[in-house]
Amino acid sequence: GEDVEQSLFLSVREGDSSVINCTYTDSSSTYLYWYKQEPGAGLQLLTYIFSNMDMKQDQRLTVLLNKKDKHLSLRIADTQTGDSAIYFCAERPGGYNKLIFGAGTRLAVHP
Amino acid sequence: DTGVSQNPRHKITKRGQNVTFRCDPISEHNRLYWYRQTLGQGPEFLTYFQNEAQLEKSRLLSDRFSAERPKGSFSTLEIQRTEQGDSAMYLCASSLEGQNQPQHFGDGTRLSIL
Repeated sequence: GEDVEQSLFLSVREGDSSVINCTYTDSSSTYLYWYKQEPGAGLQLLTYIFSNMDMKQDQRLTVLLNKKDKHLSLRIADTQTGDSAIYFCAERPGGYNKLIFGAGTRLAVHP
Repeated sequence: DTGVSQNPRHKITKRGQNVTFRCDPISEHNRLYWYRQTLGQGPEFLTYFQNEAQLEKSRLLSDRFSAERPKGSFSTLEIQRTEQGDSAMYLCASSLEGQNQPQHFGDGTRLSIL
């Protein structure tokens, strides 16, 4: 079946690194995504990774993919207060155009 | 602003009324998607269009829901005889065609049913 799971909450100190984890179930998923949602707003695409890659880096963001374990993580270096938001992991099952989202991880950044 | 645009941003209506939302995708994007997001959850897929053709519909899309994209540009989502359970954020996204093309989302329409 299709299921994406994330931990619900993460609290970090400003300047530290944040690591948000996600597991998915569909081994046919071709692309995996990270989106950010601020209060009252839509989803902002942060980054995405093709399933035949195991790492992708984009400025302060690093995505790690363990396809064997169906585990995806997003690392945010030097976390800032502006990074406080809900982060959604999503998979795109093979042969489909829809995205399957997790319930989101709320990231709180404190001084 | 060249992003995905949704109108209205907020809609409050009484139970039993009909509502219609509009989505204007990024101009060169031929794929358009509708999702629904309830409080504390991630978005759930409702339907998607490629140009004017509606190619996939979720089981969540009951017969009270209808989506159109008549000219392959903007889309409308109509909910007839609204129910309390329809209260949610309705999100629209668009993309270019192709498996490697990411979906870009609008800011959504928040529907509240009194």
